[in-house]
Amino acid sequence: EDQVTQSPEALRLQEGESSSLNCSYTVSGLRGLFWYRQDPGKGPEFLFTLYSAGEEKEKERLKATLTKKESFLHITAPKPEDSATYLCAVQATGGYQKVTFGTGTKLQVIP
Amino acid sequence: NAGVMQNPRHLVRRRGQEARLRCSPMKGHSHVYWYRQLPEEGLKFMVYLQKENIIDESGMPKERFSAEFPKEGPSILRIQQVVRGDSAAYFCASQGGPNEQFFGPGTRLTVL
Repeated sequence: EDQVTQSPEALRLQEGESSSLNCSYTVSGLRGLFWYRQDPGKGPEFLFTLYSAGEEKEKERLKATLTKKESFLHITAPKPEDSATYLCAVQATGGYQKVTFGTGTKLQVIP
Repeated sequence: NAGVMQNPRHLVRRRGQEARLRCSPMKGHSHVYWYRQLPEEGLKFMVYLQKENIIDESGMPKERFSAEFPKEGPSILRIQQVVRGDSAAYFCASQGGPNEQFFGPGTRLTVL
């Protein structure tokens, strides 16, 4: 069974203090790994898809990287508006397109 | 380019009533997923549908819950005889191909 574990569960940063969120996964074969951002009371917002080890994607202050066992979401010089829960999910090869989500990292950026 | 739409956004039901949640996928998308999320918890897969077909309902309780995605109209998640434990946020996601899913704003169900 596919598994996704995210750490830490919660992270508190000062504005401008860079850090990384971790997503460890177990899947028979990886079709894609996804990162989402979820604000309170809203649906998850798609950020990135990574397909193979070594791949990197960037968007503003966020950079996602992928290895064969984990993915990192690096946040550079975060701002208070980056505060949200960040969700990681994996999609396995074979079968249909079922996606398995982790429980998320709740990020708080303090001014 | 409209995104995924869900209605109602908030739904209050008394125990024993029926709850009907609707999801209209993005234009051109024919795959719909339903998830449930409890406060401070992750997204739990419930059911995956394509037009007129249920592909995987392994995450959906066998009793009281049903889902459909007709040829015309939105996908519907139906919960019969609701209980307090059904209170949660229910999210719908649509997918146009084999990759990323796009989520709607959710329906927050409260059972009194």
